[in-house]
Amino acid sequence: EAGVAQSPRYKIIEKRQSVAFWCNPISGHATLYWYQQILGQGPKLLIQFQNNGVVDDSQLPKDRFSAERLKGVDSTLKIQPAKLEDSAVYLCASSSGGWGGQETQYFGPGTRLLVL
Amino acid sequence: SQQGEEDPQALSIQEGENATMNCSYKTSINNLQWYRQNSGRGLVHLILIRSNEREKHSGRLRVTLDTSKKSSSLLITASRAADTASYFCATVNSGYSTLTFGKGTMLLVSP
Repeated sequence: EAGVAQSPRYKIIEKRQSVAFWCNPISGHATLYWYQQILGQGPKLLIQFQNNGVVDDSQLPKDRFSAERLKGVDSTLKIQPAKLEDSAVYLCASSSGGWGGQETQYFGPGTRLLVL
Repeated sequence: SQQGEEDPQALSIQEGENATMNCSYKTSINNLQWYRQNSGRGLVHLILIRSNEREKHSGRLRVTLDTSKKSSSLLITASRAADTASYFCATVNSGYSTLTFGKGTMLLVSP
């Protein structure tokens, strides 16, 4: 079974530029998550989708971050404009059912973002 | 905000020894999960323990949960160099479905 795919793996941008990350979840997984992991900390949930609807985006900085899940499969996370404090690893995860709390989440390799 | 707090922040042991990591949390939970993260395999789910369970085993892993003390522990027995990684506890709060991770414990197992 193929895992969660993410691209790019690394990205370096200047502050105030925009950047987009892509995620392809495990086939058939209804729930998709985006996390931000700052160095030395645990992952923090940014947004959770079930199919193509948003379940929780309470910690997404909506003035600069946006995310969408096209046709309930792939997802993109965008930052515009980026700030220095956005430097982090962005992890995508997926799970099979509709209630993520009881199910195993499978994580992708992450995109490491450096904002200069 | 982060719910779980792992202790210790870092742990260094020799192969064959046991490693114990602790996690404390603040609010009522539905379940608690442990994850491992290393550069080779990324973030991987290890074990889930529900709020009505007290102990769970998976291979060399043993997890305990004490809801009265709002704490959990992860024991890795007979550790191997390949166990070198960061270990995170993550909680699912009652009434919610999202995971909240702690800051993690860095485990170094030396050959």
